Amino acid sequence: DIVMTQTPLSSPVTLGQPASISCRSSQSLVHSDGNTYLSWLQQRPGQPPRLLIYKISNRFSGVPDRFSGSGAGTDFTLKISRVEAEDVGVYYCMQATQFPPTFGPGTKVDIK
Amino acid sequence: QVQLVQSGAEVKKPGASVKVSCKASGYTFTSYGISWVRQAPGQGLEWMGWISAYNGNTNYAQKLQGRVTMTTDTSTSTAYMELRSLRSDDTAVYYCARGSGWYDADYWGQGTLVTVSS
Repeated sequence: DIVMTQTPLSSPVTLGQPASISCRSSQSLVHSDGNTYLSWLQQRPGQPPRLLIYKISNRFSGVPDRFSGSGAGTDFTLKISRVEAEDVGVYYCMQATQFPPTFGPGTKVDIK
Repeated sequence: QVQLVQSGAEVKKPGASVKVSCKASGYTFTSYGISWVRQAPGQGLEWMGWISAYNGNTNYAQKLQGRVTMTTDTSTSTAYMELRSLRSDDTAVYYCARGSGWYDADYWGQGTLVTVSS
């Protein structure tokens, strides 16, 4: 199985300031069809996961544009341009290029 | 709007089975499948499997093969996940999520807590 790692595992941020989370995969996530199936999910406290970004950089329906994704191959980044209070939670990267889908360990974002 | 509503919390004894339901609305049920993902207390996310609501094809995580069965009822737009021979480490919140394939999980249910305890 592809192993996903994330850094940092915890990220205290100041409201209005940017935040960045890195995700690395143990193998390239480029699929034979040319797509890279790397997603980012947000899980607010006590809530189910919510899809934010799919295929590296595509924002899902209703996701604010302060969230952006980038990267290629094995290295990916989620950025929040200006953190708001509602962004507190755990963020997971997920690969679905190779079966079975696997998740990173999660990065906890909270307010300083 | 797309909604996935799951059944309520369950408490089971070791060795028993549990069946969790996930009722979909707001989209054509048979145009997508349903993935199941679980989360042990304080832990991360673990993918369990996916079922096509179109033809019932399934893909299961290897570690759960033989203990898990996923089904759908197209007449009620409901997906089911049954887990047998429950152990204490199956205690988790179980989520369903809509997906075009096993590679996809866009809308998520609210989760169902399954507690396995003697």
